[in-house]
Amino acid sequence: EIVLTQSPGTLSLSPGERATLSCRASQSISSSYLAWYQQKPGQAPRLLIYGASSRATGIPDRFSGSGSGTEFTLSISRLEPEDFAVYYCQQYGSSPLFSFGPGTKVDVK
Amino acid sequence: QITLKESGPALVKPTQTLTLTCTLSGLSLSTSGVGVGWIRQPPGKALEWLALISWDDEKRYSPSLQNRLTITKDTSKDQVVLTMTNMDPVDTATYYCARHFPYDSRGYFSDSLNLFDPWGQGTLVTVSS
Repeated sequence: EIVLTQSPGTLSLSPGERATLSCRASQSISSSYLAWYQQKPGQAPRLLIYGASSRATGIPDRFSGSGSGTEFTLSISRLEPEDFAVYYCQQYGSSPLFSFGPGTKVDVK
Repeated sequence: QITLKESGPALVKPTQTLTLTCTLSGLSLSTSGVGVGWIRQPPGKALEWLALISWDDEKRYSPSLQNRLTITKDTSKDQVVLTMTNMDPVDTATYYCARHFPYDSRGYFSDSLNLFDPWGQGTLVTVSS
């Protein structure tokens, strides 16, 4: 079973700052199978990144993803007020077929 | 515009069976490649994948819950139904359905698109006596 861990648990930053979120897999996974979602309070998750580094339709270019193997990163170049949310990574392909990380909360410092 | 909407009881008693329905709009289950997944989220906690039904009626379940889950679809109604037996208070969560469509804009299968997008608004299910 592949387990995803995310760090930090909470990231306290100011608008305009850069955010760097980490997702680590317990075993190597194909970068094709790594996605990131954003979830705001009371809302459903929204797809941000797929294939580790491709932005989903309509996602601003301040969001970028990178990584391979067991280490993946979501970066937000300059935080906008609407970016304060919880971010989840998700993998596909190993038992369970889909799994999510525990999430990183980005809140206002 | 593609939308999904979950419906079902807001409150179930322990040991009862939960039945949730996901209704699709702007999207047909008859379309080749279209699948639907169910994901849940306990209050204040992380997301947990439960089940997936693919366009060809293949069904996949979370190993930890597979003995309690059944996923089916009614193509004529564009609905997907999830049943979960023997409900317990720890099953209290918001239950989401979401589209699974691993094909790119040209219609080619893409490994990178094994994900869920978009999601329904979710429905909160509380398990309590």
